[in-house]
Amino acid sequence: SAVISQKPSRDICQRGTSLTIQCQVDSQVTMMFWYRQQPGQSLTLIATANQGSEATYESGFVIDKFPISRPNLTFSTLTVSNMSPEDSSIYLCSVGANTEAFFGQGTRLTVV
Amino acid sequence: AQKVTQAQTEISVVEKEDVTLDCVYETRDTTYYLFWYKQPPSGELVFLIRRNSFDEQNEISGRYSWNFQKSTSSFNFTITASQVVDSAVYFCALSEGQAGTALIFGKGTTLSVSS
Repeated sequence: SAVISQKPSRDICQRGTSLTIQCQVDSQVTMMFWYRQQPGQSLTLIATANQGSEATYESGFVIDKFPISRPNLTFSTLTVSNMSPEDSSIYLCSVGANTEAFFGQGTRLTVV
Repeated sequence: AQKVTQAQTEISVVEKEDVTLDCVYETRDTTYYLFWYKQPPSGELVFLIRRNSFDEQNEISGRYSWNFQKSTSSFNFTITASQVVDSAVYFCALSEGQAGTALIFGKGTTLSVSS
């Protein structure tokens, strides 16, 4: 199993600013995933982050808006840049495993 | 292309009723994994079950049961004798290829159980 610590758990930010979300895993993993869950919606994959390479972004998500770092096999960050109210969502990191996909507790972001 | 469809947006039942949440998936891979997650109002995702494409055995865990049918590409979830604590959003998800790849989620079904 994997335990994921995600910080911050929630934040209220001013539009135009940026927020960096941290994700720490208690074991080494090859791939980490970042998801967005807009209010009342399902989870949508933002990007896949492999250690030592550029993150792979899904359609509709770009690196300038959501830069991702993956400095080692246990840690990743997602930055939400130049925020607008439309970025208000829950952001979750996840890692895969043989028996289940593990998720952090999520970061509940409100942009005002 | 891969896709997960949960046609039921919202379901309301009274306690002790049985309820089935439907999930239909699309994939071209022969190796894939199906999941169900529960998201209570607090927001965290609670893992319920994972099934691989080579194991069509149905599973029962307490009041929960899952019916996996490859012939109809369905992976339905039944709660027997529902309880108020079962009220949550339930997501069905698909992961293609090797275990550990990203999940594709359905839109979710909101289950409301009243007393």
